[in-house]
Order: sequence, then C-alpha cells, then structure tokens
Amino acid sequence: SQTIHQWPATLVQPVGSPLSLECTVEGTSNPNLYWYRQAAGRGLQLLFYSVGIGQISSEVPQNLSASRPQDRQFILSSKKLLLSDSGFYLCAWSVAPAAGGDGGYTFGSGTRLTVV
Amino acid sequence: AQTVTQSQPEMSVQEAETVTLSCTYDTSENNYYLFWYKQPPSRQMILVIRQEAYKQQNATENRFSVNFQKAAKSFSLKISDSQLGDTAMYFCAFMKQPHTGANSKLTFGKGITLSVRP
Repeated sequence: SQTIHQWPATLVQPVGSPLSLECTVEGTSNPNLYWYRQAAGRGLQLLFYSVGIGQISSEVPQNLSASRPQDRQFILSSKKLLLSDSGFYLCAWSVAPAAGGDGGYTFGSGTRLTVV
Repeated sequence: AQTVTQSQPEMSVQEAETVTLSCTYDTSENNYYLFWYKQPPSRQMILVIRQEAYKQQNATENRFSVNFQKAAKSFSLKISDSQLGDTAMYFCAFMKQPHTGANSKLTFGKGITLSVRP
C-alpha cells in the first residue's frame, strides 16, 4: 500500500536557526511531490513541487528551499529561520493519470513549526 | 492563473441535518478537476470527493455530493445527515487536467470551518 511519512510532527526553533523537514513516500514510484504551508486560519499555499529527482520548482520567493535527493524523499530546508516561517507544513504526493495514477493528492500528517 | 473562492468563513449545522458549502472558481481551462478536502482538528487532510469537469454527472460519495455548475464555475458540497465527526475545516481545490507534473498543482480556497452541533 502507498503511505507517506512526514516528520517531525511538532518543532519549536529559535529565529536564525536552520530547518530540515523530511517527507518520504512508500509504495509508489516517480511521484509528484509537494510542500504546502498553512498559516493560522488560512488556506494552503504551495511552496515547492517536484516532478522528479533533483527537479524542484518554487512557487513563491521565500526563505525556504527544497531538495529531492531520492525518488521518494522530499526535504524542506532553511539556513536561517524567520518568525514569519511559523506555520503548518504539509507534504503531499500524487501520480498523474498519464503515469497511471488518478492525479489526486495524498497528504502527510503535517509539521507544526513555531519560530520563537 | 486559477483562483478558488470560498466566501463563507464559518457555518454551523444541527446533527442529522443537511448543509451546503459554497465554492466558486475562475479559470480559462476547459478540462480540469475539482476537489473537496476535509481537515479535522487532527489537521490531517482527507479527500472527500472529486469531480472531473468533463463529466456532467455530479459526483457522490455516501453522504457527500456536489453540485457542479460548469458554466457558473460553481462547485458546492452538500453533506446530508450531518454527523459530529463532520466537524472540520473544508477546502475546495482546483487542478488543471494533469497531463504533466506541472499541471498537477492544487490551488486551494481559504477554507470554511463547519461545526456540527449535537
């Protein structure tokens, strides 16, 4: 079966510290991978997506970066966190119909990041 | 660019009653997918229902159904026989027909908080 793991679940980091959030997918190959951020009381904003190893597209200019070192691993990073980076971060994967999937997303359980 | 609008920030419904959540979207695409996602207090995003734009028949999943009006660019969610477990935030989302990875991005509305009263 297909599963997605995201960790850590909760993180409190001081301003200026580095960040690394990890997401791994099991049970599928060559998925599309996504990082979304959900600010308090707001919708989901797409930060990055990846259609293959080493292929990263950034949706909004920001203090964050993403990497995909392996087919089913997606990492969200920052060298120096800002207060405005606080939020709820969600990883997701999908497989396009052209690749045999249905295009729908499966989300991880999320990481609540508080920058203090 | 596509936009998704959920104009009602909050709604409340009595248990066992029916409630309809509204969503409108704007796109120049002819083929696309629409989704409703549920986010309970656990914050896990759960797919509720999806609709392909080329299908005229409205999608149905048990107590959940949609009213898809393509010309009006409207995509409302009806929850019948509301249950306490339906209490959650509900997001409407749009996706271009995902022939390619770049088209597979989901654009979300801001969400609506639904409370089911006992």
